[in-house]
Amino acid sequence: QVQLQESGPGLVKPSETLSLTCTVSGYSISSGYYWGWIRQPPGKGLEWIASIYHSGNIYYNLSLKSRVTISVDTSQNQFSLRLSSVTAADTAMYYCARGDIPDYWGQGTLVTVSS
Amino acid sequence: EIVLTQSPDTLSLSPGERATLSCRASQSISSSLAWYQQKPGQAPRLLIYDASTRATGIPARFSGSGSGTDFTLTISSLEPEDFAIYYCQQRHNWPPITFGQGTRLEIK
Repeated sequence: QVQLQESGPGLVKPSETLSLTCTVSGYSISSGYYWGWIRQPPGKGLEWIASIYHSGNIYYNLSLKSRVTISVDTSQNQFSLRLSSVTAADTAMYYCARGDIPDYWGQGTLVTVSS
Repeated sequence: EIVLTQSPDTLSLSPGERATLSCRASQSISSSLAWYQQKPGQAPRLLIYDASTRATGIPARFSGSGSGTDFTLTISSLEPEDFAIYYCQQRHNWPPITFGQGTRLEIK
């Protein structure tokens, strides 16, 4: 069974960099699919952030592109997100998910931006 | 960027009733539309993809229809566990992937 699990700090200070990792089990990232990050501010809707293919092809949400880096480590079956210069507006539940029609999702990790 | 607009924002119905949720795209997206269900404290769950194909394990009471710019999610007879927030999502010529703002289905 495919499972995704997010990990990373739950609290980040303003202007610093948010870093999250998604560990995939039950499926090899190298076997296919895009792998991505989606966030959801408290009480609000879903926003796609970025996606990456195992070969390294990357797509970013243009509204975040200047601050976002996504990367993949196929040896660890993980992919990661870095979001720089965070503000309170980046406070959200961050989900990792498989595919451009996300069919498997992690449980999500709440990241709060606060000093 | 393709904008998805869902209606209504909130739908109040009783168990056993039929629910009809709408999603309109700002331009044609062919059949590149998916529907998700999200319950409090949970990640979204894929219900429908390619406008009308049920995802694995999704009950037959959920159905999707539409193409181009207008899409519908129908729940034929509401079960208590169906009360949740529903999102549509498009991937036509992505990036970007975009989501609708959601429809809250609440118990009347």
